Amino acid sequence: QKEVEQDPGPLSVPEGAIVSLNCTYSNSAFQYFMWYRQYSRKGPELLMYTYSSGNKEDGRFTAQVDKSSKYISLFIRDSQPSDSATYLCAMSGRDDKIIFGKGTRLHILP
Amino acid sequence: NAGVTQTPKFQVLKTGQSMTLQCAQDMNHNSMYWYRQDPGMGLRLIYYSASEGTTDKGEVPNGYNVSRLNKREFSLRLESAAPSQTSVYFCASSEMRRGADTQYFGPGTRLTVL
Repeated sequence: QKEVEQDPGPLSVPEGAIVSLNCTYSNSAFQYFMWYRQYSRKGPELLMYTYSSGNKEDGRFTAQVDKSSKYISLFIRDSQPSDSATYLCAMSGRDDKIIFGKGTRLHILP
Repeated sequence: NAGVTQTPKFQVLKTGQSMTLQCAQDMNHNSMYWYRQDPGMGLRLIYYSASEGTTDKGEVPNGYNVSRLNKREFSLRLESAAPSQTSVYFCASSEMRRGADTQYFGPGTRLTVL
């Protein structure tokens, strides 16, 4: 089983819809969970960061971590065409090694 | 602040040629990283430097060498390029080598090896 699994998509949703992006992982030692956004032909940029379980909200974005199920999610409310990008989950534990998911391509249709 | 800058933006090499990818950051970060990104493979760590004067191998170091020239600059060298090294290369930096630290990425170098 791979350490981090993420559906590559593409995921196409209409503008204004709620988007749900997910990753599963196998390493129970992971305690830091991140979402990066990568626009086409650009470098990734950190979007959200959470520590341990629970929810974190920032504007239209909510990051959710369920450590018991080894499952993390990113929700985007009122999606906009400018949200079209690749979203990478990333996680790390005490050894400071960061593992990235392969990314999900998201298209928001106007 | 420019953040993380990379040169060149694009490069085409022939098999066996060598080249150096340059990276610089102006955020006074201690740690710097080189990744490659391939379709279906995600981001894979090639080498990292936790602090000035130290470098360590990442997940896919074979065929590459690095130099942490000073706190600002971290270069990646391909001594004898191979088609398997065709990829997009990203440099990143963070304040410390900790999983919780935000990594700031450069714009990438698109390398094609013929």
